[in-house]
Amino acid sequence: DQQVKQNSPSLSVQEGRISILNCDYTNSMFDYFLWYKKYPAEGPTFLISISSIKDKNEDGRFTVFLNKSAKHLSLHIVPSQPGDSAVYFCAARRRYGGSQGNLIFGKGTKLSVKP
Amino acid sequence: DTEVTQTPKHLVMGMTNKKSLKCEQHMGHRAMYWYKQKAKKPPELMFVYSYEKLSINESVPSRFSPECPNSSLLNLHLHALQPEDSALYLCASSQDWRGTQETQYFGPGTRLLVL
Repeated sequence: DQQVKQNSPSLSVQEGRISILNCDYTNSMFDYFLWYKKYPAEGPTFLISISSIKDKNEDGRFTVFLNKSAKHLSLHIVPSQPGDSAVYFCAARRRYGGSQGNLIFGKGTKLSVKP
Repeated sequence: DTEVTQTPKHLVMGMTNKKSLKCEQHMGHRAMYWYKQKAKKPPELMFVYSYEKLSINESVPSRFSPECPNSSLLNLHLHALQPEDSALYLCASSQDWRGTQETQYFGPGTRLLVL
């Protein structure tokens, strides 16, 4: 049962335009969400996070939006640059229980930014 | 500095070999993690260490043996692995495992091939 879903395996965007990566989750016990960027043969690099008490967090070109009622979050990259081309993972943390501290990852979305 | 280092970068081993993966962080983090990532899949949690004690073992086979000699180091001892254990092994650390808004920082990973 996939608790964190990234339904688009790939996304292609023109340089300078907006990239929007989406993520849905099913577990209401998640209260902290993160986006990681990953290049081939490298570890995930932390990009941006958001707590469930917020609906928006911004850091430079990256903005994460959280819609708790829809259990949906999205990552906006504006403007997109060719160096942004990578696989983007959405991850969520559980709030309570023995598995507190686990990150549950989505399957990732491969972003290609074309010059 | 948010660097987590892992050695070796690549490892090829036979099914009868014994080898170890090493992970190090100097951020003063008290939680460290091992993840396994197969191709085109998200990272999957294997172990969590909190304050040098094993807190979570996600039903990992005993041929994988973690060790946390001190708060900066995390090892993963490998013995009698199977070819299906070939994967990218990622180490991560965070300030504390119990906090609800802890960001995990990942190392570059060790690419393991079991022949």
